[in-house]
Amino acid sequence: SSELTQDPAVSVALGQTVRITCQGDSLRSYYASWYQQRPGQAPVLVIYGENNRPSGIPDRFSGSSSGNTASLTITGAQAEDEADYFCNSRDYSGNHLVFGGGTKLTVL
Amino acid sequence: EVQLVESGGGRVKPGGSLRLSCVASGFTFSSYTMNWVRQAPGKGLEWVSSISSISSYIYYADSVKGRFTISRDNAKNSLYLQMNSLRAEDTAVYYCAREVYRGRGTYYFDYWGQGTLVTVSS
Repeated sequence: SSELTQDPAVSVALGQTVRITCQGDSLRSYYASWYQQRPGQAPVLVIYGENNRPSGIPDRFSGSSSGNTASLTITGAQAEDEADYFCNSRDYSGNHLVFGGGTKLTVL
Repeated sequence: EVQLVESGGGRVKPGGSLRLSCVASGFTFSSYTMNWVRQAPGKGLEWVSSISSISSYIYYADSVKGRFTISRDNAKNSLYLQMNSLRAEDTAVYYCAREVYRGRGTYYFDYWGQGTLVTVSS
């Protein structure tokens, strides 16, 4: 399958830790990348590769992978982390890209 | 500073055509694979098409194959998407995005444009 599956919505209390997951067969061969998208804005890369953060992304964001599941963890969630999060990877052919359906994160 | 600026969006009737452009600056455009990604209103991200640095490799999502054509002009630092036979379901914000490959199965989009809205409606 070339699909990536994410939970539609997740909530976290302010300052607590939350994990957002992404499942797909292609994740056994390719790392996921993760994007944060706030309303009305373009997506922003937050995690790529094994566990890499672009410059400017807070270190409370981290990534991990096991088998067919990739995870984005936010340790000590802040109000500004409330957004949609999308995972992305190559599909099984390696030629196409695929996004997960997205997870809406609510910070309570 | 890396910048990607899309243009060309607008309203078009079903069956019509539109050409999107993305002008890049702040990096060596000819060294990167570029992509189009779209987002229908209230929906998630959908990869549309990719083109390698010198146009050797071009791929399309099944949903647009045969109707859309991606191209680039490295001399003009520009990426294009020719969209024909447009359908209502093509209504979306279209983003151009720079792709990076770091080896060992690591691919990602590190820069995105602000997007251009395409509305297909009669």
